[in-house]
Amino acid sequence: DADVTQTPRNRITKTGKRIMLECSQTKGHDRMYWYRQDPGLGLRLIYYSFDVKDINKGEISDGYSVSRQAQAKFSLSLESAIPNQTALYFCATSDSPGGHNEQFFGPGTRLTVL
Amino acid sequence: SQQGEEDPQALSIQEGENATMNCSYKTSINNLQWYRQNSGRGLVHLILIRSNEREKHSGRLRVTLDTSKKSSSLLITASRAADTASYFCATDAGTASKLTFGTGTRLQVTL
Repeated sequence: DADVTQTPRNRITKTGKRIMLECSQTKGHDRMYWYRQDPGLGLRLIYYSFDVKDINKGEISDGYSVSRQAQAKFSLSLESAIPNQTALYFCATSDSPGGHNEQFFGPGTRLTVL
Repeated sequence: SQQGEEDPQALSIQEGENATMNCSYKTSINNLQWYRQNSGRGLVHLILIRSNEREKHSGRLRVTLDTSKKSSSLLITASRAADTASYFCATDAGTASKLTFGTGTRLQVTL
């Protein structure tokens, strides 16, 4: 009964390959986010989207791109993967500001770039 | 850059004891939130405190906020083994509703 799902859950790939991580949500939220988590660095924001036509860069967007295919779907792409993009990636959603911006997270995708 | 930094980085206590972790941040905020992460899993929202609030309770959780010192603390009372997790503070500075997360405190509760 997960509200925020991510696929794949684990992925091993090679340097230079194009990778897409997908996120779907059934919460009906407008706002969606992509983060990466590295040991000792907490979560850092890659991209965020407030609706289908609104895409914004986060603090570490270089090397990544996103697509908001529908309100419920937000995909993250690595055009040419490199080893330092090995990390745990999380998608999150939130309601519009009335909800005080509590975020709901997916289970994560563990990406390894060899 | 990280908005929040948590202290301590790691904490080990015995079941039944209280656990206190602290968060410091750099800029003015609308609210501050605490999240829990079990190993390798997604974060789960625990509690939110607004900038005009000083203390908030939820079950065994107590959060304080001191905006003059730009700091917050999370107290977990009567800890249980199931509380073992990493805890993150996150600040909402009102900038496009983005959250900025701290580096986390790893809590280990032993029997």
